[in-house]
Amino acid sequence: IAGITQAPTSQILAAGRRMTLRCTQDMRHNAMYWYRQDLGLGLRLIHYSNTAGTTGKGEVPDGYSVSRANTDDFPLTLASAVPSQTSVYFCASSDSTQGGADTQYFGPGTRLTVL
Amino acid sequence: GQNIDQPTEMTATEGAIVQINCTYQTSGFNGLFWYQQHAGEAPTFLSYNVLDGLEEKGRFSSFLSRSKGYSYLLLKELQMKDSASYLCAVIDSNYQLIWGAGTKLIIKP
Repeated sequence: IAGITQAPTSQILAAGRRMTLRCTQDMRHNAMYWYRQDLGLGLRLIHYSNTAGTTGKGEVPDGYSVSRANTDDFPLTLASAVPSQTSVYFCASSDSTQGGADTQYFGPGTRLTVL
Repeated sequence: GQNIDQPTEMTATEGAIVQINCTYQTSGFNGLFWYQQHAGEAPTFLSYNVLDGLEEKGRFSSFLSRSKGYSYLLLKELQMKDSASYLCAVIDSNYQLIWGAGTKLIIKP
């Protein structure tokens, strides 16, 4: 059992390019989340999905979009990358439909650099 | 606004005990998590508190006082592998998880 996988592990991207970060879980968890983590700041929620077919905006959603076509996959898309989106991106999942009320399990992260 | 405060960095000696504090001001409270994050890795779950008091789990214990908006993580018999960041996170009234910036713990021999 892999848990949560993310791809790519790292990426250097030119500003203005479109990029999709992939996230897949095999735990059949209802809820999934995308966070970014920057030095000196806590994890900040970008978007979340409480169940397949639904998504919601987190604290810092601008410039990002998500979709949840099925239970397992939750891709994050940067439509036109900017340098301020340079960060480490973590995908997480939890067996809960009540937001963050249950333990979240994290993927290994994607380190994204936008030049 | 919502705020979670943790010390930025702490240093302790192998074999000793260290207490990492977390204070929070959030819109409501539905529980508090502690996660461990080694450098370059993902956060992993350590503990969950929703009622006042101490929860013990091996070398790690977590304490909560809801009236004071305060929690601490206690690590005993420190080992070099405990060098990591420790993240405090609170579930607010909307069941959203609010994260602290984390405390980097450095263990010295």
